Amino acid sequence: SQQGEEDPQALSIQEGENATMNCSYKTSINNLQWYRQNSGRGLVHLILIRSNEREKHSGRLRVTLDTSKKSSSLLITASRAADTASYFCATEGISSGSARQLTFGSGTQLTVLP
Amino acid sequence: EPEVTQTPSHQVTQMGQEVILRCVPISNHLYFYWYRQILGQKVEFLVSFYNNEISEKSEIFDDQFSVERPDGSNFTLKIRSTKLEDSAMYFCASSERTKQYFGPGTRLTVT
Repeated sequence: SQQGEEDPQALSIQEGENATMNCSYKTSINNLQWYRQNSGRGLVHLILIRSNEREKHSGRLRVTLDTSKKSSSLLITASRAADTASYFCATEGISSGSARQLTFGSGTQLTVLP
Repeated sequence: EPEVTQTPSHQVTQMGQEVILRCVPISNHLYFYWYRQILGQKVEFLVSFYNNEISEKSEIFDDQFSVERPDGSNFTLKIRSTKLEDSAMYFCASSERTKQYFGPGTRLTVT
């Protein structure tokens, strides 16, 4: 798989259920970030986890990072219809450059049914 | 909360024409980026910019592309001679350090 691949590609759940999305990557990273994109709109930053962190929480979001397996997961608890969107992981690689590029995955399309 | 803004929201141009996409990054940010997303595909990095020069660029960012920070607030992406395959959403982003804030995007349609 390519750098920053999410699975599943699509996920459909009922409101109130939890949604888990996974991301795998190939190269060493400084950090991994999760973004959300509503259809045809911009990218909204959700949460960032650094390579020396294993878990992070923000509201209903929980992110884990396993650098030995080069994988991350995003858990959204108690989902709402408004959570319906595409979710992308993006990795910031280790680089000598000052302004570091993000490498995005292909995303998981989450649909939360009311 | 401060936002990155982009203009225009939609640009239609003919093949071979030059286009300039404009971005106003968040005011105290020092790092600026352009990404693009072809319909149905991944978001792809184009270029990053810091201290008035390009920091990194991808293979996509060839001689047809250029970036400029003409004044203290704007950050522009120019495509000199557009091709059909340049049709995409173009996102500008800025960061103070690590967390990148994205603008709403400009949808470029090349006919």
